[in-house]
Amino acid sequence: DTGVSQNPRHKITKRGQNVTFRCDPISEHNRLYWYRQTLGQGPEFLTYFQNEAQLEKSRLLSDRFSAERPKGSFSTLEIQRTEQGDSAMYLCASSPTGARTYTEAFFGQGTRLTVV
Amino acid sequence: EDQVTQSPEALRLQEGESSSLNCSYTVSGLRGLFWYRQDPGKGPEFLFTLYSAGEEKEKERLKATLTKKESFLHITAPKPEDSATYLCAVQADSNTGKLIFGQGTTLQVKP
Repeated sequence: DTGVSQNPRHKITKRGQNVTFRCDPISEHNRLYWYRQTLGQGPEFLTYFQNEAQLEKSRLLSDRFSAERPKGSFSTLEIQRTEQGDSAMYLCASSPTGARTYTEAFFGQGTRLTVV
Repeated sequence: EDQVTQSPEALRLQEGESSSLNCSYTVSGLRGLFWYRQDPGKGPEFLFTLYSAGEEKEKERLKATLTKKESFLHITAPKPEDSATYLCAVQADSNTGKLIFGQGTTLQVKP
């Protein structure tokens, strides 16, 4: 198991273009999260999947953002009509569910998006 | 509203100079408090989970403690390789497991 994998690592795009990021979680982790992190800040929650079901979305996730997790495996995050304010590090994390009331989340290396 | 505040924002230490990082939290029902280490340009790396007040966890030169209102990350005799941003996060909702992060403390250890 190589951990959470994210692709691409870096993406530079022109304002108004669409971009898509991919996340491959740790196998058998049924919880998957997307976070966004800007410089000097901690990660902010965007959305959460339990298997293939998207169960929670943050108010930060505007209509231009969409996330999917077909078949409960990998996930994609798409941003349509990118704006300069979308420039950030997009982080994916996964965790198992279990009998404990808390579970550790493991993060990928992130995708750094720069909108020019 | 659930909130996490870390202090200081930045900390410079000489190699071997011990210190502590603070994480204060306000949460309706704490399900877990997490410490992560983040190197520049990389994703957060899990360090510790603390669940109940009085709990302590140790890993090499790091020791995390938890009270009802805050957590401390104690760094004993730090080395330059301990330089990183340390993030604290709380989990209030066990149904989703989502985390609320503080802004982080950037630690620089000089040789």
